[in-house]
Amino acid sequence: GDSVTQMEGPVTLSEEACLTINCTYTATGYPSLFWYVQYPGEGLQLLLKATKADDKGSNKGFEATYRKETTSFHLEKGSVQVSDSAVYFCALSDADTGRRALTFGSGTRLQVQP
Amino acid sequence: DTEVTQTPKHLVMGMTNKKSLKCEQHMGHRAMYWYKQKAKKPPELMFVYSYEKLSINESVPSRFSPECPNSSLLNLHLHALQPEDSALYLCASSQDRYLEVRDGYTFGSGTRLTVV
Repeated sequence: GDSVTQMEGPVTLSEEACLTINCTYTATGYPSLFWYVQYPGEGLQLLLKATKADDKGSNKGFEATYRKETTSFHLEKGSVQVSDSAVYFCALSDADTGRRALTFGSGTRLQVQP
Repeated sequence: DTEVTQTPKHLVMGMTNKKSLKCEQHMGHRAMYWYKQKAKKPPELMFVYSYEKLSINESVPSRFSPECPNSSLLNLHLHALQPEDSALYLCASSQDRYLEVRDGYTFGSGTRLTVV
């Protein structure tokens, strides 16, 4: 079945450092890929998405590129802020499975220190 | 309106109580979802409704009973819960375009449930 693997956290960075959170996936078809962010005490917010190979999703300074050859969708940001501290979830949706639901990775907690 | 609204935000209930969680969206989405999230874990799918019909039940115990009275509302009825059911319950909705959730979900902020 489909699966998403994320790097273990927590990731602790100083403000203005570069961020990369790795995400790889296994899917039977050609999935759409997503990054969601969850701030403390809140629900999940869609951060960015990509629906086909080589697409780049971007939002709020975050970027991720859909790499079919490496089955990856790594999240990157050039300069993190304290306000970026949250849990980040990589997810996929695969039409080939006929399953109308997202598959989530385990989540990566990001802590940004001033 | 681009939000999914969940009520209540917090709920404490005893093991013999009956309570309901409510979820509402006015974005015209035709798929709605219930997820359960334990601390430091990803959301786990419980139920999927598509065009007001239950399409996925992830082998959820019968003490959780979903209901979709119309295309904008989704309820989760709770009865005889156990302390291990304490969690954040998230509702989400999406456009139901073919079988693929191409645009992602819109999540509510959740109901934090404590069973005592």
